[in-house]
Order: sequence, then structure tokens, then C-alpha cells
Amino acid sequence: DTGVSQDPRHKITKRGQNVTFRCDPISEHNRLYWYRQTLGQGPEFLTYFQNEAQLEKSRLLSDRFSAERPKGSFSTLEIQRTEQGDSAMYLCASRRGGSPNEQYFGPGTRLTVT
Amino acid sequence: DAKTTQPPSMDCAEGRAANLPCNHSTISGNEYVYWYRQIHSQGPQYIIHGLKNNETNEMASLIITEDRKSSTLILPHATLRDTAVYYCIVNTGNQFYFGTGTSLTVIP
Repeated sequence: DTGVSQDPRHKITKRGQNVTFRCDPISEHNRLYWYRQTLGQGPEFLTYFQNEAQLEKSRLLSDRFSAERPKGSFSTLEIQRTEQGDSAMYLCASRRGGSPNEQYFGPGTRLTVT
Repeated sequence: DAKTTQPPSMDCAEGRAANLPCNHSTISGNEYVYWYRQIHSQGPQYIIHGLKNNETNEMASLIITEDRKSSTLILPHATLRDTAVYYCIVNTGNQFYFGTGTSLTVIP
């Protein structure tokens, strides 16, 4: 257990529905990351927060995806109008500021879109 | 853009040292090398990182060549629980690029 928690751990939804995932980082970590991982591939970066500010977004993050970190603590990732191609593991990681500093990952949320 | 090259798979006998290579020939002077591993269906687990010098912790050792173009992760006495996908990551700034890693199988 790294101290990063994610909820839910598994989500099955029908195509076209909206889903929201939550990540609670390690409390003193001001940086938070979202990644997506499909079968057989390594995690791919989606977006990054420093405190409440979203500082970087991957081109993988289509306009159906939105992430927030309203108070600089927990974060949510919402996918609107889900598609079957959204089926993946969604991973959250956090770290302290400064360099170098390793990222600590949560257990992930596995999304299945039927 | 993974920036690293790793063999797709390796085997290691239980109790022996596992040596996992990584090429990062385009590494810049201020970029660190990180190693993570991922056991099936779990989040990646941090192992070790380094810049220029060799590093050792309770999990592993990291050997970085003098020109910094490659590195080797050493698990000194591999156990069955070390079976996982191992990722070598070169990082500057915020993003980690994982690539596809090396799938290590520890054989009894």
C-alpha cells in the first residue's frame, strides 16, 4: 500500500454513460498525475496537477475527459459519453515537489465499457 | 516517446541475480533514470532511481554506465514474487514515459 487510494477499483458501464473516478493522494504530496493503461502496454500520461492547478494535458485527453483537483487534495477524472475504446486501467500517482522525486501509484480503477 | 529500450522478456532462476538492461542513448545531463515494476493488475511500484552514480537500496541496485547511455537494474536474489513487468524510465520535468518494459519471469 503506497498511501494513494483510488475509488472505485472496478467500474462496468454501458457505452454512452458518464463515469467519474476519484483519487486520494498521499497527504503531503502537492503533485498528482493521471495515467491510462491498456492491456499489454505501459501506463500513458494523461494529465498533471500541481496543487489545484492543472498544468499539463496529453493529447490523449480528449474533450470527453475532464479532471479536477478543486482543493489541491483529492482529484476526480470524469469521462463523458464513454466509448468501448475507453476501457482501460486508470492510474493515479502523486509525489512531492522538487527533483528528483518518485511518483507513488495507486491501485488503479479498471473501467470496462460494454 | 519512451526514450528507453528494454528487452521484452527475460527469465531468471529463483535465488539467482536478475540483471535487467536498459538503453537510454539520448539521455540528457539532468535526466534521471527511474525503475518501476508492475505486478499483474496492480499499480506500478517504485524501485530505485539514479542520475550518475550507482545506487543501492533494500530492493535493488542500479548500475549506470559512465556515459549514462545505459543502465542495469540488479535484483540480487530473485524470488518468485519478483515476477513482474519492469519499466525503465528517463525523466525530466513531470511526465513519465513507461514504454512496454521487460516481463521478468522468476523460475523455481
